[in-house]
Amino acid sequence: QKEVEQNSGPLSVPEGAIASLNCTYSDRVSQSFFWYRQYSGKSPELIMSIYSNGDKEDGRFTAQLNKASQYVSLLIRDSQPSDSATYLCAVKSVGSASKIIFGSGTRLSIRP
Amino acid sequence: DADVTQTPRNRITKTGKRIMLECSQTKGHDRMYWYRQDPGLGLRLIYYSFDVKDINKGEISDGYSVSRQAQAKFSLSLESAIPNQTALYFCATSSSSGSYEQYFGPGTRLTVT
Repeated sequence: QKEVEQNSGPLSVPEGAIASLNCTYSDRVSQSFFWYRQYSGKSPELIMSIYSNGDKEDGRFTAQLNKASQYVSLLIRDSQPSDSATYLCAVKSVGSASKIIFGSGTRLSIRP
Repeated sequence: DADVTQTPRNRITKTGKRIMLECSQTKGHDRMYWYRQDPGLGLRLIYYSFDVKDINKGEISDGYSVSRQAQAKFSLSLESAIPNQTALYFCATSSSSGSYEQYFGPGTRLTVT
């Protein structure tokens, strides 16, 4: 089992709809969770961090964390074509210093 | 100006050549990382450094070496490049006093022929 799993996609969502991206992780004691956006050929860009169970909202983005079920999700409201990218889930576990484990990413496509 | 810079941005080299990729940062972070990214495999950690005197191997360090010349500079070397080292290489930084968030440089696209 991979430490951080994501559906590779592509996930196709109509413009204006809500895009829902999911991630599961294997280490039950993980404490910090991150979502990165990566455009093709570009570097990952941090868009959300979440550390506590529940929802965290930032503009059109909402991160949701459920430690009991070991999943973290990212919702993108009012999806725009510029949201088309690969979204990487990343997890830091207790005892791993600053090492973060990245999922292989979900490719999101917003269709006009 | 970019907080994390990488040079070169693109490089084509031949098998057996030695090549160095450089990373500099102005974020004031003490921790620096080197990753490679291959299609379908995500980001894999090559080496990381928590300060100038602390260097650690990541999950795929074979064939690579690093040097932390200063807090702001972290270089990755391929001693004898081979074709399966063709990949996109990213440098990243984080702060030990922060929230473990990592910030990435623009990347170096390396092709070994």
